[in-house]
Amino acid sequence: DAGVIQSPRHEVTEMGQEVTLRCKPISGHNSLFWYRQTMMRGLELLIYFNNNVPIDDSGMPEDRFSAKMPNASFSTLKIQPSEPRDSAVYFCASTRDGNQPQHFGDGTRLSIL
Amino acid sequence: QKEVEQNSGPLSVPEGAIASLNCTYSDRGSQSFFWYRQYSGKSPELIMSIYSNGDKEDGRFTAQLNKASQYVSLLIRDSQPSDSATYLCAVRYSGNTPLVFGKGTRLSVIA
Repeated sequence: DAGVIQSPRHEVTEMGQEVTLRCKPISGHNSLFWYRQTMMRGLELLIYFNNNVPIDDSGMPEDRFSAKMPNASFSTLKIQPSEPRDSAVYFCASTRDGNQPQHFGDGTRLSIL
Repeated sequence: QKEVEQNSGPLSVPEGAIASLNCTYSDRGSQSFFWYRQYSGKSPELIMSIYSNGDKEDGRFTAQLNKASQYVSLLIRDSQPSDSATYLCAVRYSGNTPLVFGKGTRLSVIA
């Protein structure tokens, strides 16, 4: 079975540019989570969706961040405009209902110059 | 504020020893508990889940849960250098809510 698929794996761009991160959850999973990981703050939840509906976006740091889930098999996280402090590894994870664990994608390593 | 606390380490153990990793959580009503392993530059990988008080064993790994003390631990027997990684404790408080992660404990197994 395919796991959670994220793209791109690495992104290097200049400050002010728009960045779009993509995620395909595991088929049959109906919850999707976007996390950011840094050395200082660890894994931070940015936003999560249940059945394609955003449930809690309180972790989104600023209005520059937005996320969408147009269907059950695709989600995007967009940063516009990007800033150097956005540099981090961004993970997408998915899970089925109930007490099941979350499964992570390989992450996108984002560097904003 | 729901919190999960872990000692950041590093925890250093000799090869073949038992590594003991600990985690406490703040919400007494928490329902499910997970341990993830994360190698440097990689994504978190699930290694154990536990839902009820007591011990759960899987190969060299044993998860222990004590809900009265709000305490979860992971024991790694016969530690190997390949076990060197950061171990993340994660807790789900209810229903279909996201996991809350600790900041992780870095384990170093010395050959």
